[in-house]
Amino acid sequence: DIVMTQTALSPPVTLGQPASISCRSSQSLVKSDGNTYLSWLQQRPGQPPRLLIYKISNRFSGVPDRFSGSGAGTDFTLKISRVEAEDVGVYYCMQATQFPITFGQGTRLEIK
Amino acid sequence: QVQLQESGPGLVKPSQTLSLTCAVSGDSITSDYCWSWLRQHPGEGLEWIGYIHYSAGTYYNPSLRSRVSMSVDTSKNQFSLKLNSVTAADTAVYYCARFVKRPRDSALYYFDYWGQGTLVTVSS
Repeated sequence: DIVMTQTALSPPVTLGQPASISCRSSQSLVKSDGNTYLSWLQQRPGQPPRLLIYKISNRFSGVPDRFSGSGAGTDFTLKISRVEAEDVGVYYCMQATQFPITFGQGTRLEIK
Repeated sequence: QVQLQESGPGLVKPSQTLSLTCAVSGDSITSDYCWSWLRQHPGEGLEWIGYIHYSAGTYYNPSLRSRVSMSVDTSKNQFSLKLNSVTAADTAVYYCARFVKRPRDSALYYFDYWGQGTLVTVSS
């Protein structure tokens, strides 16, 4: 299985400031078709996960443009340009390049 | 708007079978999507259990494959999960979700709609 590794906690962020969350995979996520099936999901307290980003950098429908994704191969980053109070929660990276689908352990975003 | 809703017993005894159902609205269970089950152990991350596609069949996570089965009920537009021989380690919030799997033209693989989740506790 591909192991996805995230830091458990991001440093507390001030409202309006940027935040960055990292994810690393145990092997390249480039599939034989040339695509990289790396997604980011947000889980607010008491809520199910919600898709933010797919294929590294594509924002899902309805996701604010302050969220962006980048990376390649085994290293990926989710960035929030200006953190808002509603962004509090746990962020997961997920790979679907190779089955079984696997997730990072999650990174908790806190506000100062 | 696609909606998914899990239902089933919140308490299961050890060694018995966990059975959950996911009712789908806003889409047909026979459409070209992989209807999935995932779980989240208390305070932990997400684990993918597997999926069922109406015509393409099932795919189960190898870690659970020996104990899992999934099925579709087209008359009720729902799909189900059975996990047998449960232990306390199977205590978790169980989610159903729709998985988009488009390997060719669109090249898309992601979960776009999720149920609210249901807590299942395994205890005597």
